[in-house]
Amino acid sequence: DGGITQSPKYLFRKEGQNVTLSCEQNLNHDAMYWYRQDPGQGLRLIYYSQIVNDFQKGDIAEGYSVSREKKESFPLTVTSAQKNPTAFYLCASNVAGGNQETQYFGPGTRLLVL
Amino acid sequence: GDSVTQMEGPVTLSEEAFLTINCTYTATGYPSLFWYVQYPGEGLQLLLKATKADDKGSNKGFEATYRKETTSFHLEKGSVQVSDSAVYFCALSPLNDYKLSFGAGTTVTVRA
Repeated sequence: DGGITQSPKYLFRKEGQNVTLSCEQNLNHDAMYWYRQDPGQGLRLIYYSQIVNDFQKGDIAEGYSVSREKKESFPLTVTSAQKNPTAFYLCASNVAGGNQETQYFGPGTRLLVL
Repeated sequence: GDSVTQMEGPVTLSEEAFLTINCTYTATGYPSLFWYVQYPGEGLQLLLKATKADDKGSNKGFEATYRKETTSFHLEKGSVQVSDSAVYFCALSPLNDYKLSFGAGTTVTVRA
């Protein structure tokens, strides 16, 4: 089955620790995105990548880093510089070419601070 | 910049009631418009979309019409079910730019 997988479903971070959230897609999509969801605030864009080895900052990139070494993978690292990391993180992707305006989402990772 | 405003919730309805969630947008040009649904503990699923003025998107009994003159994309369903309980997000994607701007989401609870 084609789709987007995110792991883990729940992730716990200790003070001062970097953690990495995984996002993998087998849809052959070119572009991938990371969003952060906080209660009552909708989704905010952290980073996005339209092609391998290239990515751009979104609206709230501070305290986060990404890489895009493979088309199917777009991991997000939440660094110790992110002072309020507790949130639900969603990964999405879309195709370049027809129907490219539609983004498909993974099931999300909930990050909690210990 | 581009933005989406949707009605605040929460919205609580009885089964078979009529549902409307208002959504208005601010954008230059002709964005694509979307409704996404999020069931508890899950990611977002595309519910419907419209890519040009006067288009009507529909899916699972939900409908929304792209109104350029009122910059709106209101979501409607004539008879809701308990299984429609979820958070609904209105979103837009500017022309030739596939980043999405989301509304804050509206929580809908349908009671039997």
